[in-house]
Amino acid sequence: DAKTTQPPSMDCAEGRAANLPCNHSTISGNEYVYWYRQIHSQGPQYIIHGLKNNETNEMASLIITEDRKSSTLILPHATLRDTAVYYCIVRPDYGQNFVFGPGTRLSVLP
Amino acid sequence: NAGVTQTPKFRILKIGQSMTLQCAQDMNHNYMYWYRQDPGMGLKLIYYSVGAGITDKGEVPNGYNVSRSTTEDFPLRLELAAPSQTSVYFCASSYSTGGPEGTIYFGEGSWLTVV
Repeated sequence: DAKTTQPPSMDCAEGRAANLPCNHSTISGNEYVYWYRQIHSQGPQYIIHGLKNNETNEMASLIITEDRKSSTLILPHATLRDTAVYYCIVRPDYGQNFVFGPGTRLSVLP
Repeated sequence: NAGVTQTPKFRILKIGQSMTLQCAQDMNHNYMYWYRQDPGMGLKLIYYSVGAGITDKGEVPNGYNVSRSTTEDFPLRLELAAPSQTSVYFCASSYSTGGPEGTIYFGEGSWLTVV
């Protein structure tokens, strides 16, 4: 399975954009990049996913580099409620396991 | 549309007791999963199912059993509970296991303590 590398923690000022990086240098052609977050031991919440193109939804934007070896999740206007652990996951092509690493603990500061 | 529903939310078991964690989804998903998450750690796959009547082991299946008699339900059975099974358990489901419809949706979790 492709593995991901994320910084263990980040801070962001409330109202500013939060940019969370993820390296996935061994990703293969049909594997999707997924982002989830987990707020205080609640169930992981789906945020966004993409294959090659940049994606945007009501929660966030996902920027994937042209070589697909890294991506950035952007929360455009972070709020205190966005404080959570953010997981970047490469979905194995039709594999059964969704591998969660340690993620990035984002703290949004007032 | 409730998504993935887990019960109970909290439970305390004594060593050696058995119990079943219930999981139901109303999204007509073929694939269902059980994960556990120990404090400060990532999620680990216990068992998964690709459809009614079909289950398979994940990364950490020892001490657990599952069944899938319907598309909607995927209960997790703990036999002879041990302190090492103290954890938060998450049930999840997905329409597919890859491609654009491979998104996994999670329940809110079941906190289990074995004493």
